[in-house]
Formats: sequence, C-alpha cells, structure tokens
Amino acid sequence: AQKVTQAQTEISVVEKEDVTLDCVYETRDTTYYLFWYKQPPSGELVFLIRRNSFDEQNEISGRYSWNFQKSTSSFNFTITASQVVDSAVYFCALRSSNTGNQFYFGTGTSLTVIP
Amino acid sequence: KAGVTQTPRYLIKTRGQQVTLSCSPISGHRSVSWYQQTPGQGLQFLFEYFSETQRNKGNFPGRFSGRQFSNSRSEMNVSTLELGDSALYLCASSLVGAPNTGELFFGEGSRLTVL
Repeated sequence: AQKVTQAQTEISVVEKEDVTLDCVYETRDTTYYLFWYKQPPSGELVFLIRRNSFDEQNEISGRYSWNFQKSTSSFNFTITASQVVDSAVYFCALRSSNTGNQFYFGTGTSLTVIP
Repeated sequence: KAGVTQTPRYLIKTRGQQVTLSCSPISGHRSVSWYQQTPGQGLQFLFEYFSETQRNKGNFPGRFSGRQFSNSRSEMNVSTLELGDSALYLCASSLVGAPNTGELFFGEGSRLTVL
C-alpha cells in the first residue's frame, strides 16, 4: 500500500524565518517517485520538485531545499527566509512504478507567512 | 505553452442532478488524470485516461465516470449528485513515454457545490 503522511496541518511563521515541512511516505516498491506541489488560493497545484527513489541527493533551488532520506522514509521541504508569497498549501506526493500514473497525496500543510 | 484548462471553473447543482466537467491537457500530453479534493479527504484519485482508454481507476462509485477524446481532451461526469460530491475537481495532464519527466501538471480545477 502507498501512503503519504504530512503531520503538520498548519504552520505559521514570521517573514524571513526558515520553515521545514515534513513528509513521511510508505511503499513496498523499490522504484518510486516523490513530489512536492504548492497550491496557492487560485487552486492550481504547482509542481516544485521530483525525486527518484534511487537518487538520495539533496537539492537546493534558491530558497527551497529538499532532504530525501530513504532510511527514515522522509522527504522534507525547507523554505529559507520565508516570504509572504510562500503562503500556500503544500502537498507531498508519491508515485510508484507499480501504480502507473496514480499519485498518492498527503493531506497537505497550510503555510502562512506573516509579514 | 498553454496550461491545463478546466471548464467550468465554478458550478452549483442540486442533489440528483448530473454534471459534466471538461479538461483540455497541455498540448502533446496524452495522459489525463482526475482528482477530487475535499477538506476532509484531501486529494483522491478518480481515474486516468491515456489514448482514449481508462488505465487506472480510484475507489469511487460508478456514478463517477469519464472519457477521453482523440485529441486527448477529457470529460468527467457525475450522475445523481449527492451533497458529499461538493469538491474541487482537479484535472492533470502528463507526458507518457520518453522523455517522461513524471510530474503532473494541474489545471485550476472546477469547484462543484451541490445543494
């Protein structure tokens, strides 16, 4: 069974603070893909990053960074020096090689950045 | 490059009615998936279509159906609407085959309210 858990339902930070969004996943498959999406109030989910199960390299993109650890089945997302525009709901998702194109989403973390 | 387009964006129906939602994928994308998003259940997979064939189906009753046309545009239909069908319905398209980058590209969704 595939499952994604985002334990943090809501987070509020003051602008310029760093914030980490947690994501824990479950799968028995050896080949899988992990994703993060951002959903602003408009509703459209915006793709942020994809990670393959065989690539544990951490990644940094501007103020965004991702920490993938297979040993703990976690794929955490950190925003450095948060900005008001970062306010959104963030979803972590899992796609397995055995489930075709079906994505399994976590319940999302609502991030509010206070100016 | 135009994104995923969903119509209508908002609609209100009453119980027992039926509704049809439309989705135009990104040009060149042949896979179209549908997701239901509700506050309580998060994002739930409905089905995926590729080359006019349903490849995968989530755990929804038969009242939920879909189809894909030869130009990859897709429609989903919900018959005999229930109050619990009120949700944001998201369509996503993706490339299938090489090079398959794996991520889904989402539209802004159709927000259905059932009264």
